[in-house]
Amino acid sequence: RKEVEQDPGPFNVPEGATVAFNCTYSNSASQSFFWYRQDCRKEPKLLMSVYSSGNEDGRFTAQLNRASQYISLLIRDSKLSDSATYLCVVTGNDYKLSFGAGTTVTVRA
Amino acid sequence: DADVTQTPRNRITKTGKRIMLECSQTKGHDRMYWYRQDPGLGLQLIYYSFDVKDINKGEISDGYSVSRQAQAKFSLSLESAIPNQTALYFCATSAYGGGSDTQYFGPGTRLTVL
Repeated sequence: RKEVEQDPGPFNVPEGATVAFNCTYSNSASQSFFWYRQDCRKEPKLLMSVYSSGNEDGRFTAQLNRASQYISLLIRDSKLSDSATYLCVVTGNDYKLSFGAGTTVTVRA
Repeated sequence: DADVTQTPRNRITKTGKRIMLECSQTKGHDRMYWYRQDPGLGLQLIYYSFDVKDINKGEISDGYSVSRQAQAKFSLSLESAIPNQTALYFCATSAYGGGSDTQYFGPGTRLTVL
């Protein structure tokens, strides 16, 4: 079983729509959680950390459910520039990151 | 200028050749990492180094070796390249400091082994 699993998508949404997707992780001892964004053939970049109480950054909202071992990302008022692959990332107490394969989002005009 | 640079950006080579991928960073970070990315798979950790004297194997180190020449430089070598090492390779850095440190990635090296 993969340590981090994501629905690969693609999620095709119109501009202005809300899109949400989850990621599950297998290690109950995982300590830190992140969403990274990766544009086609480019390097991943940190989008946001995910905190236990949930957190927002502009149009992006991340949630963590430790009991069910999943994190989620919600994008409101989608923009064309939000089209990317979103990588779910989890760390254990050794500070090494485990990456999901990514969820692809395509926002259409 | 980019904080994390990788050379070369693209490389095509033949089976059995020795290849070195280089990574340099100006962020002053102690920790450096090498990952590979294959279509449909998450990034997989090849090797990581928490300081110049510390080298550790990741989940897929077979067929690879590394050298940490200085705090700012971390090289990945394929001693005898094989076709299933065709992938996108990323170097990353992070600062020391807890489990929430952000990793900063280089632009990647696209390696094709024929």
